Amino acid sequence: GNSVTQMEGPVTLSEEAFLTINCTYTATGYPSLFWYVQYPGEGLQLLLKATKADDKGSNKGFEATYRKETTSFHLEKGSVQVSDSAVYFCALSVQGAQKLVFGQGTRLTINP
Amino acid sequence: DTEVTQTPKHLVMGMTNKKSLKCEQHMGHRAMYWYKQKAKKPPELMFVYSYEKLSINESVPSRFSPECPNSSLLNLHLHALQPEDSALYLCASSDTARRNYGYTFGSGTRLTVV
Repeated sequence: GNSVTQMEGPVTLSEEAFLTINCTYTATGYPSLFWYVQYPGEGLQLLLKATKADDKGSNKGFEATYRKETTSFHLEKGSVQVSDSAVYFCALSVQGAQKLVFGQGTRLTINP
Repeated sequence: DTEVTQTPKHLVMGMTNKKSLKCEQHMGHRAMYWYKQKAKKPPELMFVYSYEKLSINESVPSRFSPECPNSSLLNLHLHALQPEDSALYLCASSDTARRNYGYTFGSGTRLTVV
């Protein structure tokens, strides 16, 4: 089956620290991979995506590279800000399927 | 327009009430979804509509009744809910031919059943 495993949270960092949130996946076929962000009290926003192996998705200083050999899609940011505090979800979709498969989410708190 | 709009943002209803959640998008997406999200959990898929036809029902209780009147609108009718149905209800849409480009989510309706 298809599944996504994210690193356990919560994660607490100081402003300007380096961020990594690990995400690994299991999928039949060739999935597309996504990171969604959910700010407090809001819905999900697509942060970045990658649709094939070795693609790098990037947005707002965040990056993630689709690694087929390690079945991973780790989220990174070089210098986090207080405004990055949110819950981050890794997700995948498989061509032909009609659903996103989500990881459990990682709550990130950035302290000033 | 690149948004999915959900109304109302907040809803409090009694267990004997009937209410409806509404979702609208004008991106030309022909797939629309209802998700339920409990606190500190990922969204759980409830229903999928593709070209205005119900294509997936994830064994959702019949007290939740979806409706897709046209390609831009999606409703979720609620009747005789239980307190455990309190959650954030998210609507999403996607291009059926390009689901690998991601889904667009609305900001949700926070439902409280009393």
